[in-house]
Amino acid sequence: GAVVSQHPSWVICKSGTSVKIECRSLDFQATTMFWYRQFPKQSLMLMATSNEGSKATYEQGVEKDKFLINHASLTLSTLTVTSAHPEDSSFYICSARAGVYGYTFGSGTRLTVV
Amino acid sequence: SQKIEQNSEALNIQEGKTATLTCNYTNYSPAYLQWYRQDPGRGPVFLLLIRENEKEKRKERLKVTFDTTLKQSLFHITASQPADSATYLCALDAAGNNRKLIWGLGTSLAVNP
Repeated sequence: GAVVSQHPSWVICKSGTSVKIECRSLDFQATTMFWYRQFPKQSLMLMATSNEGSKATYEQGVEKDKFLINHASLTLSTLTVTSAHPEDSSFYICSARAGVYGYTFGSGTRLTVV
Repeated sequence: SQKIEQNSEALNIQEGKTATLTCNYTNYSPAYLQWYRQDPGRGPVFLLLIRENEKEKRKERLKVTFDTTLKQSLFHITASQPADSATYLCALDAAGNNRKLIWGLGTSLAVNP
C-alpha cells in the first residue's frame, strides 16, 4: 500500500532557530501533499497544500514566510518552520493523496520549541 | 458555518461489544465521508470511505453508514477488542479539484478487556 515516511518523528529546538520536516512518498508519486498541524485535543488543521513544481497554497491565517514549503520532486515535500517560537510547538503531519480517493498520512513530527 | 461534530466524550465499552461512533455535520454537502483511526503521537490511518450515494460500507469488523438527509454518519466496530482503543476521526471530502478534508475533533474509544 501507499506509504508516506515523515522525519523526524520528534525534534526539540531553541527559540529563533529553524527546523525542517521531510515527507516522502515511498512507493508512489505524490503530485499533491498536505501539511497539517494538530494541537492537543484539537482536530487536524490544514496549513497548506503542496504541489510538485509549484508554489504551495496556504490556508488563511498561515504565514507562508514562516512555514516554508518545498515540493521539489514527486516523492518529497518539506516544511521548514523558520525562526521557531514556543507557540509553534505542535504536532505536524503530512499527507498525500494516494489514488483517486485515499489519503495516506505520515507518522507525524512532534516539534517542541524551548 | 460549516461544522463537524463527533461525540466529545470518550466512549468506554466492554470487549466483544459493538462500538458506535457518531459524526454529524452542518452546512456542508460532502461528496465523500471518511473515517480514520489515530493513535497517540501518530498520524491518522485511513479506515473507510463512503460516498454520498452509498448508504452503507463494510470492511471486516467495521461498518459505516451515511445518511445525507440526517447529515450523519455512524461508525460501528463489531466484536470490539482492546487493540481497537484509539481516537476515531471523521473527515468530509468535497468533490472537485480542491479536495481538502475537513476534520472532526475525534472520539476517543477505550475497549476494556
